[in-house]
This record gives sequence, structure tokens and C-alpha cells, in this order.
Amino acid sequence: KNEVEQSPQNLTAQEGEFITINCSYSVGISALHWLQQHPGGGIVSLFMLSSGKKKHGRLIATINIQEKHSSLHITASHPRDSAVYICAVRSWDGNQFYFGTGTSLTVIP
Amino acid sequence: NAGVTQTPKFQVLKTGQSMTLQCAQDMNHEYMSWYRQDPGMGLRLIHYSVGAGITDQGEVPNGYNVSRSTTEDFPLRLLSAAPSQTSVYFCASNKGALAGTDTQYFGPGTRLTVL
Repeated sequence: KNEVEQSPQNLTAQEGEFITINCSYSVGISALHWLQQHPGGGIVSLFMLSSGKKKHGRLIATINIQEKHSSLHITASHPRDSAVYICAVRSWDGNQFYFGTGTSLTVIP
Repeated sequence: NAGVTQTPKFQVLKTGQSMTLQCAQDMNHEYMSWYRQDPGMGLRLIHYSVGAGITDQGEVPNGYNVSRSTTEDFPLRLLSAAPSQTSVYFCASNKGALAGTDTQYFGPGTRLTVL
């Protein structure tokens, strides 16, 4: 049983396309994180959100608490956006932090 | 700030050997954790610490030990390496005493192969 499900697992896009990655979760949460893992392996935090919407440059993250769903959007995608994007949630009940298996994005020039 | 550092970056062990993976952070973070990442699976929590002197088990603790004698350091010890422990290991920290309550900072990872 996976507390966090991401879709799609793999995504290939042409440079400039608008990209959406989805995350659904089955537990009550206090926060949701979007992480980026580059081909070299390093993981960086993109967003932490508990409601509404956040925007950093070309990246936008939204969350719908009632529907237990979050989306990560990338506008005007670029080859340097190629990476694995990971959704993770912090549960209300205890010190639990659940990770999705990631979405592998490749942006072709 | 150097952030979260891990050593070594790569390691090859023989079955039965022991070793310690080092993790340090210079951000005065309370919460530190160790994860392993395997193909097709999300990051899984091995052990975590909510402050110096306090550690607890995560989802997959068997075969690993930890200690937290200082706020900065959180080493992970493999007691008797097994091929099933071949994985990429990440150390992570955040400021608060609970996981995921604020921005997570990850180390660069250690790629471990057990023959």
C-alpha cells in the first residue's frame, strides 16, 4: 500500500511545453513537499505547502486538501528541467514522512 | 554554510564487513534522518533523530545502527553488510524537531554496493 501515488511515472516533453505532474495521497497531512532529484543524484526541495498555491519562477505547485491531491506545473519547460520529481507528505498522526516513487521528466530540445 | 555533507560518495563492501556512513550539517537543525533509495521505490526511512542523544527507528532499521552525540553529526553504521543493503543512502535534515515540518535539506548521497 502506497500512501503517496504519483502520475505519470515517466514523461517526455518538447522544450517549451507546459508540464503537469500529479500527486495523490491517502493519509491526513500537515504538509506536502515537492522535491527535485537531478541525474547526478542530488535532491533539492522545491516547495512545501499545506494549502493553496505557491510559485517559484516557472514552477507552480497547488494542493487540494479535500481531494488529497497536489499538482506540480512547469511552464515553458527547458531541458535543464529534466529530473525526477518526488512528492512527499507529512502525516498528522505521528512523525511519518511518506515519499512517492517519483516522476521522471525528460525535456527534449 | 556547507549544508548537509555525506562521506563517502561511493563505497564497495564485501558481505559481512562493517562500515560507517558519515553525515553532518552545519545549520543547527534538530531533525536528522537517514533514507535509502532503491529502484522503483520511494525513499524509505531507516533511522531518525529529533535532537542530540535521541534516536528512533524508521521503516527499515534492521542491519543499521545510529547515534547522535552532537547536533551536527548523525552517522549510520552497517553492522554486517549484506547484498540487500546495496542502495543509495541519503542523509537529510530540517530545522524543526519533526520530519517535514519545514524545508528538507538533503546530502549528496552515498552509493553503496555490497558484494
